This record gives sequence, structure tokens and C-alpha cells, in this order.
Amino acid sequence: NAGVTQTPKFQVLKTGQSMTLQCAQDMNHEYMSWYRQDPGMGLRLIHYSVGAGITDQGEVPNGYNVSRSTTEDFPLRLLSAAPSQTSVYFCASSYSDSFGEKLFFGSGTQLSVL
Amino acid sequence: KNEVEQSPQNLTAQEGEFITINCSYSVGISALHWLQQHPGGGIVSLFMLSSGKKKHGRLIATINIQEKHSSLHITASHPRDSAVYICAVPPNYGGSQGNLIFGKGTKLSVKP
Repeated sequence: NAGVTQTPKFQVLKTGQSMTLQCAQDMNHEYMSWYRQDPGMGLRLIHYSVGAGITDQGEVPNGYNVSRSTTEDFPLRLLSAAPSQTSVYFCASSYSDSFGEKLFFGSGTQLSVL
Repeated sequence: KNEVEQSPQNLTAQEGEFITINCSYSVGISALHWLQQHPGGGIVSLFMLSSGKKKHGRLIATINIQEKHSSLHITASHPRDSAVYICAVPPNYGGSQGNLIFGKGTKLSVKP
């Protein structure tokens, strides 16, 4: 299994540009999430999904769109990039069984918006 | 909203020392996660705890659900343990289903 694959690893955008951060998992996990990590703030939830076709907003959803058309993929779209969206973005997937919940993270995307 | 507090924010230790990192939260939960973020940025899950204690190698995690408090201990610390340790909880008693609230992390540096 490749685990959780995030692309790209690095991206520089100009204010107003749009882009999509890709996230794919090959473990058939129900749950997928996008977080952003800023200095001194910790990880904060942007959007999450409990299954294909179902998404919900997290703590900081403004400026971001998501969709979950398949179990495997959960892309994050920046509609019109702003300098405030400069951050490190992590995708995660998880599942629950009788032993509890297991978390897996992608390697992160460092995004700079100029 | 569940508020998560970690202490200390930064911790420097000498190799071999016993390390304790604390995590407190405000809303009752069914389980808590401890994560490790390597200096290169990657995040791995260390433990998921719903009660009592779990041990993996030199790492021990405990949780007191009634007190809303968890600790992560590292015995015989080593420079390779240098990382940021993060606790994470769901917003309420139900399972997270991908919805987690994180502490700000404890940056541990172990000197040889």
C-alpha cells in the first residue's frame, strides 16, 4: 500500500490564482480530512469527509472547496489564493474498528501565496 | 468546542532522561490520539487511547477520562526522539470520523 499520497509537495502561487491539492489513499478508508498547519497555531481542520459523496466543514473552511466522488480521492481546491492561505497542508485518512480509530497522514504540501 | 492544552510547549532533555508531556482537554471524549511530527515534517500516529495505559517500546501513554487528561512518557530518551509531539481529540464523545482538534504540540529536543 502507498498509504496517503499528497501532491504537490511544494507550490508557489500568485494572489488570485486557483489550484487543487491532490490527496489519494489506497487503504479503502472511510474518513478523509484536510488540515492546515501554521506556526504557533497547531493543525486546524479545513474540511472532512465520512464517505464518498459526503463532506463537511471544519474550523477554517473559507476559501477552500472539497469533493469526494470516490473513496480514494479527496482533492482540496483553492478558488482564489490569498496570502493568508500560505501554510503547510496535510491530508489524512482514518478508519475505525473494534480496537479504535487509526490515523494516517500524507507527507504535506508547503504552499506559498505571494 | 473541545479546547486542547499541551504542556510544556518546549522541552530540552539530556539523553537518557525520563520525559513527560501533558495534554488536557475540556469536553469529554471516548478516545485521544498522540502523534509525532518529525523534523522533516511527516506526521505519524503513536497511540490511540480510550482508557488506562498503552506501551510501545520506550513510549508510554496514559489517559484519565474523568480528569480529561493524558500524558505521554518517554523512558531513556534518545536524540532520535527529538520531534514535535501532538495530542488530538474529537470535538465530543463520539468518534472523530476525521474531525479532530489538535493541541499546539510540544517540541522535544534530546541532547547527546
